Amino acid sequence: GAGVSQTPSNKVTEKGKYVELRCDPISGHTALYWYRQSLGQGPEFLIYFQGTGAADDSGLPNDRFFAVRPEGSVSTLKIQRTERGDSAVYLCASSLRSSYNSPLHFGNGTRLTVT
Amino acid sequence: TQLLEQSPQFLSIQEGENLTVYCNSSSVFSSLQWYRQEPGEGPVLLVTVVTGGEVKKLKRLTFQFGDARKDSSLHITAAQPGDTGLYLCAGHPSNTGKLIFGQGTTLQVKP
Repeated sequence: GAGVSQTPSNKVTEKGKYVELRCDPISGHTALYWYRQSLGQGPEFLIYFQGTGAADDSGLPNDRFFAVRPEGSVSTLKIQRTERGDSAVYLCASSLRSSYNSPLHFGNGTRLTVT
Repeated sequence: TQLLEQSPQFLSIQEGENLTVYCNSSSVFSSLQWYRQEPGEGPVLLVTVVTGGEVKKLKRLTFQFGDARKDSSLHITAAQPGDTGLYLCAGHPSNTGKLIFGQGTTLQVKP
């Protein structure tokens, strides 16, 4: 079956620009997670949704970062006034529900480069 | 803050050697998960350990959850070049839906 899809796979943008990263989760998965990952490091939690609502956004680094999931399926991570330090791979994952015994299924990520 | 500390961060070994990766925390986790990630891809779940003291085996990989549910280990027997990758432990702090990851262990197995 179809897995988690992230688009674009690569995004190069200039410092100060606005970017949107999209995540299409596995159909029927109610929980959706966003992570940021630097090379050779573990994923850093940003936010997760249960349905349409953000259940925990404690990992968003500042108010330039925002994510939505208006219909409880596709999610968009939005970054305003990008900075070079935002360069990373942004991973999206979905799970059947947000519980300890429900594994996460990851997409292949969007590599964001801010020049 | 509940953190997961992994060690070592990098391991380079010869094919056929054994190795152990550790995942430690000062906090209790209801479960811990192990993932493996290859370049350009997202992490893929290997196993979930739930019960303190639990041992799970996946071919040449053995996973153990500490009795106090604060730590876990991954042991690989007779490593092969195909085992090369980034190994990550992860857990849900305080029974929340949020999943946090350790820093990862990069394993390189040379033929």
